[in-house]
Amino acid sequence: QVQLVQSGAEVKKPGASVKVSCKASGYSFTGYYIHWVRQAPGQGLEWMGWINPNSGGTTYTQKFQGRVTMTRDTSISTAYMELSRLTSDDTAVYSCARGGTTGYYFDYWGQGSLVTVSS
Amino acid sequence: QSALTQPPSASGSPGQSVTISCTGTSSDVGGYNFVSWYQQHPGKAPKLVIFDVTKRPSGVPDRFSGSKSGNTASLTVSGLQADDEADYYCTSYAGSNNFVFGTGTKVTVL
Repeated sequence: QVQLVQSGAEVKKPGASVKVSCKASGYSFTGYYIHWVRQAPGQGLEWMGWINPNSGGTTYTQKFQGRVTMTRDTSISTAYMELSRLTSDDTAVYSCARGGTTGYYFDYWGQGSLVTVSS
Repeated sequence: QSALTQPPSASGSPGQSVTISCTGTSSDVGGYNFVSWYQQHPGKAPKLVIFDVTKRPSGVPDRFSGSKSGNTASLTVSGLQADDEADYYCTSYAGSNNFVFGTGTKVTVL
């Protein structure tokens, strides 16, 4: 069965960076895009960007350009999202999600990784 | 990109129907047939319930249906059940490899 398993919770200081991992299993990792979505406490979902695990090509939403980097390691079927220059506004649950067959929806989700930014 | 607009809340009694709207622009909802809907229970990951405006993933009951008219998409949940009480989010492809989420709607089963 398709599974996306993410890394654990992190606590970071303002100005630091965080790297969240998302390990895929149960399907061909290079056949489906991986999206990253975040949700601040008590807030809605926010799309951050996506990576094509086959080519490594990425698209980031304008809000995070210059601060986010999405990468992948096909040898271990794992995608990564690194966010730099963290502020308290970046405190959120960060989730990976698999792009569906047509690419325009998210059919499987990771369990989410809580990133807390606090001095 | 601005978030798509959803009503903050909606409610209905068991067995009734509730419809949630998702309003965007001609650059997102109105421009593509790539609207999807997600159900999220507290503390849980979102679950896909509708994709490509009207399609249901396998395992999602036919009580969930989607539609679109112009720049507004809608999700209807018929025959409301207690487990339908959750937050619901729409999302749309917005061109140039970008996506945008809705503001979210809390559905309460009275």
